[in-house]
Amino acid sequence: DQQVKQNSPSLSVQEGRISILNCDYTNSMFDYFLWYKKYPAEGPTFLISISSIKDKNEDGRFTVFLNKSAKHLSLHIVPSQPGDSAVYFCAAEPYSGGGADGLTFGKGTHLIIQP
Amino acid sequence: DAGVIQSPRHEVTEMGQEVTLRCKPISGHNSLFWYRQTMMRGLELLIYFNNNVPIDDSGMPEDRFSAKMPNASFSTLKIQPSEPRDSAVYFCASSFETVSRYGYTFGSGTRLTVV
Repeated sequence: DQQVKQNSPSLSVQEGRISILNCDYTNSMFDYFLWYKKYPAEGPTFLISISSIKDKNEDGRFTVFLNKSAKHLSLHIVPSQPGDSAVYFCAAEPYSGGGADGLTFGKGTHLIIQP
Repeated sequence: DAGVIQSPRHEVTEMGQEVTLRCKPISGHNSLFWYRQTMMRGLELLIYFNNNVPIDDSGMPEDRFSAKMPNASFSTLKIQPSEPRDSAVYFCASSFETVSRYGYTFGSGTRLTVV
């Protein structure tokens, strides 16, 4: 049973336009949501996170939106750049009152930025 | 800081052999996670430790898999005996236990091939 779902295996976007990556989840106990970026032959690197008590978090070109009622989050990248081409993973962690509990990951979306 | 260090980067072994993967977390991080990435299942959490103590090993697929963290600066994941279906990329990650919002730091992974 997949608790974090990324339904688009790949997405192609023109350089300079907006990239929107989507993620759905089923576990209402998830407390924090994170996005990771991964290049080939490297480990995932943390990009941006959002707490379940917020609906938006912004960091430079990256903005994450959370819709708790729909159990949906999205990552917006504006403007998209060639270096953004990578696999993006959505991840979530349940609330535990403190202490890391391990992240549950989606299967990833391969973003391709076209020149 | 050199980040999370995993060794070896690549491992090719014959079915039935013992395999040991190694991880050195970031100094000062007190949570350590082992993940496995496959095409079919994506990134799966195998086991995690807080303050060197295993907290949840429910993701370990079989008794053939075992993990240890003898001290704060070293962990191993052992597979004995190995099987072809264990072929995957194995990632180690570390974090401050209550800082999920900053994400985990992943190593570059060990690509395991069992023939």
